Amino acid sequence: EVQLLESGGGLVQPGGSLRLSCAASGFTFSSYAMNWVRQAPGKGLDWVSAISGSGSTTYYADSVKGRFTISRDNSKNTLYLQMNSLRAEDTAVYYCAKVPFEWLLPDDAFDIWGQGTMVTVSS
Amino acid sequence: DIQMTQSPSSLSASVGDRVTFTCRASQSISRYLNWYQQKPGKAPKLLIYSASSLQSGVPSRFSGSGSGTDFTLTISSLQPEDFATYYCQQSYNTRTFGQGTKLEIK
Repeated sequence: EVQLLESGGGLVQPGGSLRLSCAASGFTFSSYAMNWVRQAPGKGLDWVSAISGSGSTTYYADSVKGRFTISRDNSKNTLYLQMNSLRAEDTAVYYCAKVPFEWLLPDDAFDIWGQGTMVTVSS
Repeated sequence: DIQMTQSPSSLSASVGDRVTFTCRASQSISRYLNWYQQKPGKAPKLLIYSASSLQSGVPSRFSGSGSGTDFTLTISSLQPEDFATYYCQQSYNTRTFGQGTKLEIK
């Protein structure tokens, strides 16, 4: 069964750091680009970042550029999101999501999602 | 950045109704438009990709159409399990979502 399982969320103070993980199973992880998408409480979906299957190419939303770093360890079938300089507006459920190609392509879509991990930025 | 605008923001309907959701892009995105369904406390689920292609396992009562800037998602006959929030998402340039349309029971 294809599955994504996020972990690492929690409560952090403004300006702090947190690293999220997403463990993949049931598919050849290195063959697919991966994404992080977040959802603030009661709000809509907000794409955060993406990484190619090999990890050689990364993409970021302007709102997190310079603060967040996406990476992956294909030997461990795991995706990461290092979040630094956290702000209150980063409070959200963070989902990892797979696309059906090795690269981010115009005709892709988020076909598999994890269950999400909650990040709360508050003093 | 490409902005995605969904209308209406909420919709009330009854089981058996035909309902249509609209999504408009701030610039042409060809057919690079996807639709998702999200139920409370759950992750989104892909319904339609590339404007009109039905994702595997999704019931055929869901259909999508459109190209350029205007897109629609139609549910031909509402079932009880369809009451949820629906999001469009463009994949033409980075990735952005619409604000969602909440489908409620009348």
